[in-house]
Amino acid sequence: ILNVEQSPQSLHVQEGDSTNFTCSFPSSNFYALHWYRWETAKSPEALFVMTLNGDEKKKGRISATLNTKEGYSYLYIKGSQPEDSATYLCASPRGKLIFGQGTELSVKP
Amino acid sequence: GAGVSQSPSNKVTEKGKDVELRCDPISGHTALYWYRQSLGQGLEFLIYFQGNSAPDKSGLPSDRFSAERTGGSVSTLTIQRTQQEDSAVYLCASSFSTSGGALNEQYFGPGTRLTVT
Repeated sequence: ILNVEQSPQSLHVQEGDSTNFTCSFPSSNFYALHWYRWETAKSPEALFVMTLNGDEKKKGRISATLNTKEGYSYLYIKGSQPEDSATYLCASPRGKLIFGQGTELSVKP
Repeated sequence: GAGVSQSPSNKVTEKGKDVELRCDPISGHTALYWYRQSLGQGLEFLIYFQGNSAPDKSGLPSDRFSAERTGGSVSTLTIQRTQQEDSAVYLCASSFSTSGGALNEQYFGPGTRLTVT
């Protein structure tokens, strides 16, 4: 059974704070790691698909790193804004995507 | 272009009734997925269609759940004899997929919120 775990479960920050959260996954037979953002009342939206150990991807103020040998990925948000409030999900493919429970981020103005 | 669409957006049904949920994937996407999110739970995989291959049904929670994909496009998820524990948001996603979506991002629909009373 593949376990994809995320921490923390929830996070409350002030506008302007930088923040990060973690996704851990079994490092054996690694293929890829997906990050999605799910805003309330909207559909989950892909942020990154990461495949290479040491890879770093960036989209605006959001970036992610990947360590396939130790089985973790970090998602960073620089200078959080209220519109960043969402649940951030990571997922690992094993014939289908196995999602973590998500980190719920709340950014207060 | 048009994204993934789902209907209905909300469905309230009585326990024991059958329901059908519909998903229209993005045109040209060969892979289609169904997930659900129950209250307080993560996103749970249900079933996956890839082209003409036999679907991966390994996530379906019971034999009351079934899904089909007609003509490689539209998909219908059917829940027979609904139970209260079936209440959840049912999400559909599609992708240009090989290898179970390993390298291709999935595009999600808005979901159907099912409430079983």
